[in-house]
Amino acid sequence: DIQMTQSPSSLSASVGDRVTITCRASQGINDDLAWFQQKPGKAPKSLIYAASSLQSGVPSKFSGSGSGTDFTLTINSLQPEDFATYYCQQYNRYPLTFGGGTKVEIK
Amino acid sequence: QVQLVESGGGVVQPGRSLRLSCAASGFTFSSYAIHWVRQAPGKGLEWVAVMSYDGTNKFYADSVRGRFTISRDNSKNTLYLQMNSLRAEDTAVYFCAKDTARYSGCFDYWGQGTLVTVSS
Repeated sequence: DIQMTQSPSSLSASVGDRVTITCRASQGINDDLAWFQQKPGKAPKSLIYAASSLQSGVPSKFSGSGSGTDFTLTINSLQPEDFATYYCQQYNRYPLTFGGGTKVEIK
Repeated sequence: QVQLVESGGGVVQPGRSLRLSCAASGFTFSSYAIHWVRQAPGKGLEWVAVMSYDGTNKFYADSVRGRFTISRDNSKNTLYLQMNSLRAEDTAVYFCAKDTARYSGCFDYWGQGTLVTVSS
């Protein structure tokens, strides 16, 4: 199975900050990577697919990059509604696997 | 708009069975694979199973293979998850998620989830 490792597991940031989360795959997955945002008690929301493509309706403050084994999610100008947990997921091969999550908290 | 609505969760004793449903609307259900993904309390996301758009292909996580069965009824726009021999470690919120294609593994929409609690 492909292991997905996210870092950091949590971070504290202030409104207006830029935040970067990294995700590493245990083997190459091309650009078959997605990012999700999840708020407490809610379903995950799809943000990015194919490593860097925004899902419909997702604001451009979110961006993704990377290919192969190393990927990043960047959130510009952090707003109160962006404080949540973020997950990466590979879909290069089954079984699909997720990173452990990064909790973005208010400083 | 795309909607996925899960149902069927509840409290069940270890070793018993439960069937979850995922009712879909707002898109051509028979053209897309649908997945089950679960989340244990306070934990991360775990992919469980997928069935292709026409039901001919299905894949399972090792943790549920042989105990869970995924199925779909395209005439009813509904996906199912039959869960047998339930264990305490199956306790989780179960989400269904729509694939962007036949079974690419890339999700675009998620349901709100249904809670399954396995406890004596």
